[in-house]
Amino acid sequence: KNEVEQSPQNLTAQEGEFITINCSYSVGISALHWLQQHPGGGIVSLFMLSSGKKKHGRLIATINIQEKHSSLHITASHPRDSAVYICAVTKGAQKLVFGQGTRLTINP
Amino acid sequence: SQTIHQWPATLVQPVGSPLSLECTVEGTSNPNLYWYRQAAGRGLQLLFYSVGIGQISSEVPQNLSASRPQDRQFILSSKKLLLSDSGFYLCAWSVEAAREQYFGPGTRLTVT
Repeated sequence: KNEVEQSPQNLTAQEGEFITINCSYSVGISALHWLQQHPGGGIVSLFMLSSGKKKHGRLIATINIQEKHSSLHITASHPRDSAVYICAVTKGAQKLVFGQGTRLTINP
Repeated sequence: SQTIHQWPATLVQPVGSPLSLECTVEGTSNPNLYWYRQAAGRGLQLLFYSVGIGQISSEVPQNLSASRPQDRQFILSSKKLLLSDSGFYLCAWSVEAAREQYFGPGTRLTVT
């Protein structure tokens, strides 16, 4: 079993829909990261959080340390949000452990 | 502002040939540096990290090696490439451990 599990693996939605991507982890962590990978491969860090909730524009990330679970929400989704969203956890001093990613497609 | 560069962007190499991928960071001092690989259809995997010049930690035993000859330069090398070395290689930096990491544009390596 992977230490970081994401669901769903693939998600297709219509423009404007509310999107939720889930991440569960089974190890002790110091932080959890949400990353966005565009088709060309480039990766952008969206959030790093260790408790509670963070919001950037239409993106919201939450984490529940007791349940070892995080969610990434996208409100009013847009085709430009189409990308692979990756959950990663900082395990130990340096190591990032990654989920397999969720491929999101938003249709106009 | 900080910038991270990687080159080349794409590379096609025959099996058994050497490899050198370079990553440089601008606008920060003494960053933590990381090399990741994303094999086709698989998730990202940490290969090496460095907390300072000449200090390299390896996460996965393999035929790759890393070096940090200067504070803001990180090099990934191989003496003889294998087919299984194909993938997307990403360099990243952070201010310190367990902090947000910033990724370079990546190098897509195809070993034929």
